[in-house]
Amino acid sequence: KAGVTQTPRYLIKTRGQQVTLSCSPISGHRSVSWYQQTPGQGLQFLFEYFSETQRNKGNFPGRFSGRQFSNSRSEMNVSTLELGDSALYLCASRRGSEETQYFGPGTRLLVL
Amino acid sequence: GENVEQHPSTLSVQEGDSAVIKCTYSDSASNYFPWYKQELGKRPQLIIDIRSNVGEKKDQRIAVTLNKTAKHFSLHITETQPEDSAVYFCAASIGTGGGADGLTFGKGTHLIIQP
Repeated sequence: KAGVTQTPRYLIKTRGQQVTLSCSPISGHRSVSWYQQTPGQGLQFLFEYFSETQRNKGNFPGRFSGRQFSNSRSEMNVSTLELGDSALYLCASRRGSEETQYFGPGTRLLVL
Repeated sequence: GENVEQHPSTLSVQEGDSAVIKCTYSDSASNYFPWYKQELGKRPQLIIDIRSNVGEKKDQRIAVTLNKTAKHFSLHITETQPEDSAVYFCAASIGTGGGADGLTFGKGTHLIIQP
């Protein structure tokens, strides 16, 4: 079974721009969560989508948003990029009835 | 919200020795505790997890113990090998069977296996 995939893998943007990242979950997984990983703050939960609905949200500003499509693929968007948004963005998928989350390879975002 | 503390931040052990990483959590409602291993430049990979109705779980050289009263859980790796070198993260969440809150992670432990 194919694992979680994320595109693009690397991205360079400038301050003020916006960016969209994509995540395709493992087949049959209906939940997708997004995390931000930085050296200083570690792994932080952004939000979770299940059946196209945001179910949980972490402590991030409204510039961070997401959505999920009917095929469970998810996108996250960051508007008005700041230097501090430079990070590895990881998504993780799981079956809706289980807790175990499987991570994708991440998208490394650099904001200049 | 939940807060997870992880210690130590760096752990160096001789190959063949055991390694122990400890985590504490703050929210007594948390009931799911996974451990992830992340090698440099790679994705976090689940190595073992435990639910609050279990006190200990073992998988070959890896074991996890949970003390609900003290709100702490530990990862034990025996007979360490060079390929165990990585960053290890503990996490906690409130699992409900029909879903779970997002994972709250510890800051990670860089495990170094000395040959």
